[in-house]
Amino acid sequence: DAGVTQSPTHLIKTRGQQVTLRCSPKSGHDTVSWYQQALGQGPQFIFQYYEEEERQRGNFPDRFSGHQFPNYSSELNVNALLLGDSALYLCASSSTQAPYEQYFGPGTRLTVT
Amino acid sequence: RKEVEQDPGPFNVPEGATVAFNCTYSNSASQSFFWYRQDCRKEPKLLMSVYSSGNEDGRFTAQLNRASQYISLLIRDSKLSDSATYLCVVNEDNYQLIWGAGTKLIIKP
Repeated sequence: DAGVTQSPTHLIKTRGQQVTLRCSPKSGHDTVSWYQQALGQGPQFIFQYYEEEERQRGNFPDRFSGHQFPNYSSELNVNALLLGDSALYLCASSSTQAPYEQYFGPGTRLTVT
Repeated sequence: RKEVEQDPGPFNVPEGATVAFNCTYSNSASQSFFWYRQDCRKEPKLLMSVYSSGNEDGRFTAQLNRASQYISLLIRDSKLSDSATYLCVVNEDNYQLIWGAGTKLIIKP
C-alpha cells in the first residue's frame, strides 16, 4: 500500500519564477492538505482540497494556488517566487472518516535564490 | 500570542528516564488534539490523538486539560530512538490544523 508521494524531492528556483509541486495521496484517502514548513517552525497550513475544490485556506497570498484531480492527486503552484518562499513543502492526505489523522509525504525542499 | 505554544527545548534526557512536556492552546473552542513526531529533515508522523479521557499507547501517555487549555505528552523509559521533535496539533471548528513549533527531545545514552 503506497503512502503519500511527492515530487520533486528537491528544487532550486530563482526569484520571480514559478514552481509546481505534486502530491499523490495515500490509497483510500480523498483529501489533500498542503503545508509550508520553515526551518525550526511547525508546518503552516496553506490550503486543503476535497472533491477537486479548495475547501479551506490558510493565511497565504494568492501567489499560492492549487488543484486537485479526479484521482485525488494534487498540485501546488507558487508564482512570482520570493526568497522567503524557501521551505519544505509538505503534502498530507486524509479521509473523510478521519479527517484530522493526516499522513504526510516526504516533502519537497524548495530553495529560492 | 501564538495559537499553539510549545517549549522549543531541547530537552536533554538520559536513556531510561521519564520526560514530559506540555503544549498550550489559545482557542477554548478547539475540539481535537494530536501529537505528531518529526525526525530531522523528515515528514511529521502521527504519534497519537489526545482524548478528553486521556490516551495511553505503550510508553506514551497524552492528557488533555480543557480548563487550563493545555495538552501534555509523557514518555516513560525513554529510548534513544525517541529523539525527535514533538509537534502539538490542535483543530478548531474547521478543517484546518494549527501546529505548534515543536519541542526537541534528545535522549542521551
